[in-house]
Amino acid sequence: TQLLEQSPQFLSIQEGENLTVYCNSSSVFSSLQWYRQEPGEGPVLLVTVVTGGEVKKLKRLTFQFGDARKDSSLHITAAQPGDTGLYLCAGAEGTSGSRLTFGEGTQLTVNP
Amino acid sequence: NAGVMQNPRHLVRRRGQEARLRCSPMKGHSHVYWYRQLPEEGLKFMVYLQKENIIDESGMPKERFSAEFPKEGPSILRIQQVVRGDSAAYFCAAGGSFYEQYFGPGTRLTVT
Repeated sequence: TQLLEQSPQFLSIQEGENLTVYCNSSSVFSSLQWYRQEPGEGPVLLVTVVTGGEVKKLKRLTFQFGDARKDSSLHITAAQPGDTGLYLCAGAEGTSGSRLTFGEGTQLTVNP
Repeated sequence: NAGVMQNPRHLVRRRGQEARLRCSPMKGHSHVYWYRQLPEEGLKFMVYLQKENIIDESGMPKERFSAEFPKEGPSILRIQQVVRGDSAAYFCAAGGSFYEQYFGPGTRLTVT
């Protein structure tokens, strides 16, 4: 069974600060997704990374997939209160039609 | 939620009753995944279905749980004789291009 460990589990910062969330595994994934989940709602897909070493940017969010495709990071620059939420990483073992293994999530709170 | 519909959004059942959860993926998507999110736990894969076929049910509890995705109509996750431990949020996801999965808003099941 493949496992994904996210850290930190909880993160509370002030508006304007930068932060990084990590997602690590001892297993190789064919792809890795980052989701954001609000209370009472389903996860919303932010990005998919597929190639080892890949870096993707989404406004103030930067996602990186490790060279060995075992780990990933999410970096947020100049965090805003609207970034508050549960961030989840999820790895796929195969190509299309593959179940996702989720990390436990990082609960981010950005204080104004 | 990228057009994935789930109903009901909230479901209350007494111990021993049956729960039926429905998921309608967006048009043209014939792959459906079900995940369960227990309180204070991460999302766990349950089952992966294509139209009229169960592809991977390795995450389904051995008893009381079943899933189907008929040729016509929504996918249904059925829980017979519910127990308090079944209380959770149940999410379905539709398969997108390659590795991506798009989640519905979820059904919150409460067993009293």
